[in-house]
This record gives sequence, C-alpha cells and structure tokens, in this order.
Amino acid sequence: AQKITQTQPGMFVQEKEAVTLDCTYDTSDPSYGLFWYKQPSSGEMIFLIYQGSYDQQNATEGRYSLNFQKARKSANLVISASQLGDSAMYFCAMREGGSQGNLIFGKGTKLSVKP
Amino acid sequence: EAQVTQNPRYLITVTGKKLTVTCSQNMNHEYMSWYRQDPGLGLRQIYYSMNVEVTDKGDVPEGYKVSRKEKRNFPLILESPSPNQTSLYFCASSLEGALNSPLHFGNGTRLTVT
Repeated sequence: AQKITQTQPGMFVQEKEAVTLDCTYDTSDPSYGLFWYKQPSSGEMIFLIYQGSYDQQNATEGRYSLNFQKARKSANLVISASQLGDSAMYFCAMREGGSQGNLIFGKGTKLSVKP
Repeated sequence: EAQVTQNPRYLITVTGKKLTVTCSQNMNHEYMSWYRQDPGLGLRQIYYSMNVEVTDKGDVPEGYKVSRKEKRNFPLILESPSPNQTSLYFCASSLEGALNSPLHFGNGTRLTVT
C-alpha cells in the first residue's frame, strides 16, 4: 500500500487565485513529520513547509499553508495568490518515527499557473 | 551559502564503466542520503548515513555503494553501471534523522547509461 498518495497528477490554477494540492498518508506510527517540496522544471527540490504529527496548529510559511486533518490522515498544501513561478511539480513526503530518517515521497502533482 | 553540492550535473557513460557522483554539504549535517527519481515511481532512497562511518541501505540499494569518511562528503559509487540505473539522482542532508529535520537537496545529477 502506498504510504503517500497524491491523487491529482495535474492541476491548473489562474494567476492570483488560491489552489489546494491534496495529500493523504498512511502510517500507524504516532510520531511522524509531513513535508512539501517543490520541483521546478530546472529539477532542484525545494523545501516548502513542515507539519509535525503533534502540532496543534496548521503550519504556514508565507503564501504556503498546510491544511492538516489528522483524523483523515490528510495534509493538503494551500498556495494563496498563485504566481507564474509557482508552476512546478509538488511532492508530499513523510518521515515516520522509526524510519531512520527516510523521507517517503508521493508521486507528485504538476501545477500549472495560467496568466 | 548553505548548500548541498553534487557533481557532475549531467553524466553520460557506458555499461560497466565505474563512476562516482560526489556530494558535499557545508551545513555540518549529520544525516545524508541518496535518492533516485524515475518517472511514475517518484523518489526512492538508495542509501543513507546517520553519521561518519555509519551507512545503511535504503529501498533500492542494489548496484550502488556509498562511503562516509568525512561528515561533509557522501559519494555515490556505481561499480558497474547498467542502463536501468539511468535516472535523476539527488543527494540530500539534514541536521539529523529526526522527524522535524527537512532534507536539503542538491541540484541533482542526471545519469544516462548506454
């Protein structure tokens, strides 16, 4: 079974609008961390935001926020006021408590921002 | 500037010719890891290292070797590359292997084995 599921292979959003990228995860470990990364066409992996399993509040970093619903095991990324430079692949990833640091990635969502 | 540096960025080689992809980080991170990225399969961990002289296999270690003789360096070695190792490779590091330590990635090495 997949540990990280991103159900949207591709998404379109109009510039300046908000967009939500979905991520669900599967773990029986009570301690875990959830991460989102951005991969532009140039190929590098850029860390965006982190959410811990024990965090009471949803994480925010500038225009990025994480809609963390623990009971549903979902950690959706919300990008507000989309910009053309947001066009990229976005990966959700998880580290479990007993994982020796391994980050498990979803297969990604390709976001395209339209002018 | 804090960064993970991989070299080379692009590499084309032939089957069986040994190669090394270098990785260096200047953040004094204890944890380092190698991933490969393939279309439809996402990123998969090859090897990781919790600290100097401590390395262990990830999910797809076959055909690869690593070493961690110094804290900052974590080279990936392909003793006898094969075409199925054609991929985009990433080196990454974090302060430790803890849950809340984000991995910082190098810019990637695109390897083609013919």
